Amino acid sequence: DSGVTQTPKHLITATGQRVTLRCSPRSGDLSVYWYQQSLDQGLQFLIQYYNGEERAKGNILERFSAQQFPDLHSELNLSSLELGDSALYFCASSVGYSGNQPQHFGDGTRLSIL
Amino acid sequence: SQELEQSPQSLIVQEGKNLTINCTSSKTLYGLYWYKQKYGEGLIFLMMLQKGGEEKSHEKITAKLDEKKQQSSLHITASQPSHAGIYLCGADTGSNYKLTFGKGTLLTVNP
Repeated sequence: DSGVTQTPKHLITATGQRVTLRCSPRSGDLSVYWYQQSLDQGLQFLIQYYNGEERAKGNILERFSAQQFPDLHSELNLSSLELGDSALYFCASSVGYSGNQPQHFGDGTRLSIL
Repeated sequence: SQELEQSPQSLIVQEGKNLTINCTSSKTLYGLYWYKQKYGEGLIFLMMLQKGGEEKSHEKITAKLDEKKQQSSLHITASQPSHAGIYLCGADTGSNYKLTFGKGTLLTVNP
């Protein structure tokens, strides 16, 4: 158990809909990262938050947005969903934001778009 | 081309055999992370390497970092069925600590 909690584990919805994925980081971790994993693209970095502020952005679509709340949990919002958004979405956390700490991953949310 | 190349893509070994997985970066490495993933599950952190020439071991798994070659290798000694899974390397190439991942190596260990 990594200590990172993601909910829900599975989500099935239709095209055009909007969903929210939730992540609770490990106790004491201030950084949260979101990744998308698909068969063709592999694991892709989406966005990072540190102590409530956005720190880095990756290949995140404009239809996607995220935030980190004062209690440090984070939410990833996906809107106007398309079939291609079907993937595993991972949240990871680390103590800080520098490159000398490992990121610990949650079990992911599997999103299926019908 | 991929920023981070892993080889081989898949590997089937007999229990008890040794094996090596490689990870090569096209950019300067500031940190290299190895993770293991069971299909459809989360990533389990194995090891972090930061300095050239650094080598770390945990149980029967050893990872090395060759900073000059921008390469890392993961070696498993006397493999067991419990070692089966997807091994992913993640690299910090200096871009605000976002990790870039390889496509993974699928390891099957036959009893």
